Amino acid sequence: EIVMTQSPATLSVSPGESATLSCRASHSVGNNLAWYQQKPGQAPRLLIYGASTRATGIPARFSGSGSGTEFTLTISSLQSEDFAVYHCQQYNKWASWTFGQGTKVEIK
Amino acid sequence: QLQLQESGPGVVKVSETLSLTCTVSRGSVRDSNYYWGWLRQPPGKGLEWIGSMYYAGDTASNPSLASRVKISVDTAKNQFSLRLSSVTAADTAVYYCARHGTRFYYFGIQVWGQGTPVIVSS
Repeated sequence: EIVMTQSPATLSVSPGESATLSCRASHSVGNNLAWYQQKPGQAPRLLIYGASTRATGIPARFSGSGSGTEFTLTISSLQSEDFAVYHCQQYNKWASWTFGQGTKVEIK
Repeated sequence: QLQLQESGPGVVKVSETLSLTCTVSRGSVRDSNYYWGWLRQPPGKGLEWIGSMYYAGDTASNPSLASRVKISVDTAKNQFSLRLSSVTAADTAVYYCARHGTRFYYFGIQVWGQGTPVIVSS
């Protein structure tokens, strides 16, 4: 099983600033990496797939990068609605998908 | 726009079987482009994929849960279901139904249900 490790666990950011979230895979997953946003009491929402492709309707301030074992989600100019928990997921092998533990982005 | 809605008991006793159903609206479980799956999120923890099924019968399950998981699709009712047997307190979680792409067209999970909490009690 590929273990996904996200850091930091919590990130305190002021509105308008940028946030950089990291996700590391225990083995290479190529670019088969997705990012999700989850707000309290809601289901996750797909933000990024293929490590860097924004899903439909996702604002340009969300960007993903990386390949292999190191991935980054950058949120530029944080808006109030961006404070949430962010999850990464690898899908390198069919039916062997795993998620990270999540990074909470909170208001500083 | 496709909508998914989970339903089922909110409390299940230890050693019994957890049964949940997901009703698909504004779409069809017979859509050949998608699989229908289940995920869960224990309190304060990350997401875990449980298993998925194609309407024509192909299924896949998380190896850590495979011996206890059964997923089925009811095309007549436009629903799919999860059965998780021999539950323990560790199965307490919010359970989500979801839709995702097929083997060669998987790009994350695009559609999720709102989630339903399940507590396993003794």
